[in-house]
Amino acid sequence: DSGVTQTPKHLITATGQRVTLRCSPRSGDLSVYWYQQSLDQGLQFLIQYYNGEERAKGNILERFSAQQFPDLHSELNLSSLELGDSALYFCASSTYSNSPLHFGNGTRLTVT
Amino acid sequence: SQQGEEDPQALSIQEGENATMNCSYKTSINNLQWYRQNSGRGLVHLILIRSNEREKHSGRLRVTLDTSKKSSSLLITASRAADTASYFCATRDSGGSNYKLTFGKGTLLTVNP
Repeated sequence: DSGVTQTPKHLITATGQRVTLRCSPRSGDLSVYWYQQSLDQGLQFLIQYYNGEERAKGNILERFSAQQFPDLHSELNLSSLELGDSALYFCASSTYSNSPLHFGNGTRLTVT
Repeated sequence: SQQGEEDPQALSIQEGENATMNCSYKTSINNLQWYRQNSGRGLVHLILIRSNEREKHSGRLRVTLDTSKKSSSLLITASRAADTASYFCATRDSGGSNYKLTFGKGTLLTVNP
């Protein structure tokens, strides 16, 4: 058990809808990362937060947004969903920005 | 975009044999990490090697790093069926924006009993 909790585990929704994925980092970790994993694109870095502030941005679409709250949990919002957004979304946390990452078990999003 | 490229994409061996996976990357790095992923599950950190280190061991794992060739290898000795998983290398750039950890596409290792 990594200590990183992601909810929900599975999400099935229709095109055009909006969903929110939630992540609770490992106790004591200040950094939260979001990744998208699909068969064709591999593991793509989306965004990183450290203690509530955005630290790095990757291949995150404008339709996607995220934030980290004062209690350090994070949410990833995906809107105007398309079929191609179907993927596994992982949250990870680390103690410091240079430390190894601890991954949650992911949210499997299916857009129909 | 991918920073690391693992090679081979897939590897099938018998239990007891050694497995070697390679990773090449493009930019200067602060450190390189290897992770393992069982099907559909979250990634698990295996080992981290810093840019000023050449070799590191952890149990049955041995990692080497050659910064002049921008490459790393992961050796799993005396493999077990339970080692069946995908293995990813990940790099953290040494530049100003070294917060991002970029993963390769992974090597799928199958260990046959």
